[in-house]
Amino acid sequence: AQSVTQLDSQVPVFEEAPVELRCNYSSSVSVYLFWYVQYPNQGLQLLLKYLSGSTLVKGINGFEAEFNKSQTSFHLRKPSVHISDTAEYFCAVSGGQGAQKLVFGQGTRLTINP
Amino acid sequence: GAGVSQSPRYKVAKRGQDVALRCDPISGHVSLFWYQQALGQGPEFLTYFQNEAQLDKSGLPSDRFFAERPEGSVSTLKIQRTQQEDSAVYLCASSLSNRGRVYGYTFGSGTRLTVV
Repeated sequence: AQSVTQLDSQVPVFEEAPVELRCNYSSSVSVYLFWYVQYPNQGLQLLLKYLSGSTLVKGINGFEAEFNKSQTSFHLRKPSVHISDTAEYFCAVSGGQGAQKLVFGQGTRLTINP
Repeated sequence: GAGVSQSPRYKVAKRGQDVALRCDPISGHVSLFWYQQALGQGPEFLTYFQNEAQLDKSGLPSDRFFAERPEGSVSTLKIQRTQQEDSAVYLCASSLSNRGRVYGYTFGSGTRLTVV
């Protein structure tokens, strides 16, 4: 079985500052890793995903994440945030033969202050 | 349609009432998922369909929860005798193939169910 831990429930940062949202996972099999963003009263939108290959993954809206197998982490980063990045961010894992479902973390609320 | 459509957008039910939540996936999408998202939590898997076949229902919390997708397109999640702990946002997601984790999932905006 897989599990995901998002280490910070809330992250406040100032506009144009860098941000890192932390995610650790647990799995006994190879995994696929995802970051989703949820704006208020909306569904989930995929930011980026790691399937295989290069451990540095670039996504939409200037976000990137690095897969670290030894530390079982998949932290999300952005060098300079904007007010419009205010949202809830979810890390998710999928793994195992034929397993299609996503297992999500608890979420991190990113608040951008002017 | 252009996206995954869920209805109703909001539902208030009295405790003990039955409810039905509808999901219209993107046309031609093979895979369909239901997730439950409690307030302040991440989504939790409920059930998965590939076409009309329900391949995984391990996440359904009790036998009061039932999902169907009879013609392999529209899906309905039914909750019988609703309880207050059923209050949550119910998200539907669909994918073009049965390799959704590779090709991606599209999520609907959800149905917010409040049981009073």
